[in-house]
Amino acid sequence: DAGVIQSPRHEVTEMGQEVTLRCKPISGHDYLFWYRQTMMRGLELLIYFNNNVPIDDSGMPEDRFSAKMPNASFSTLKIQPSEPRDSAVYFCASSPTEYNEQFFGPGTRLTVL
Amino acid sequence: GESVGLHLPTLSVQEGDNSIINCAYSNSASDYFIWYKQESGKGPQFIIDIRSNMDKRQGQRVTVLLNKTVKHLSLQIAATQPGDSAVYFCAENKYSSYKLIFGSGTRLLVRP
Repeated sequence: DAGVIQSPRHEVTEMGQEVTLRCKPISGHDYLFWYRQTMMRGLELLIYFNNNVPIDDSGMPEDRFSAKMPNASFSTLKIQPSEPRDSAVYFCASSPTEYNEQFFGPGTRLTVL
Repeated sequence: GESVGLHLPTLSVQEGDNSIINCAYSNSASDYFIWYKQESGKGPQFIIDIRSNMDKRQGQRVTVLLNKTVKHLSLQIAATQPGDSAVYFCAENKYSSYKLIFGSGTRLLVRP
């Protein structure tokens, strides 16, 4: 298995631009999680899905952030418009059950200028 | 790239020595705990987990100890190797909550 796949690995954009991060979970995993990691705040859960349905988005910082999971093998996290304070590493993780370890992707390093 | 804060607690050990990384968790209702390892530029990698009905679990070169009385978790690494240098996170979960709460991490440096 290739593990969780994220793209792009690095993204540099200018303030105000739309950013879309992509994730392919491990096949057969019913749970998908989006995290953000920063120096100041550490690793924060943004949102998670169960069987493609968003379950808890209380960690999404504000309306500029949105996430979708149109099918079991693909999810996106979109920031529109992006701001410099959104600069962080964004991780996607998947899990086979709700009570099991989560498998993390390599992350997308986002820099908003 | 860097993945954690500048002010992470750091544990420096000599190669070949044993390492002990500690974690205090916050929720007495948490019943599932995981240790993750994160190397620079990579995502967190699962090391070992333990459920609250146990107080010790062993893996390859690693042991996790759970003390529910004082809400303390530790990770022991035997015969620490240079490849063990990374940031280590503990995470806790409450059954049916589906959410892992991560600690702030400890940086392990292995001196050759």
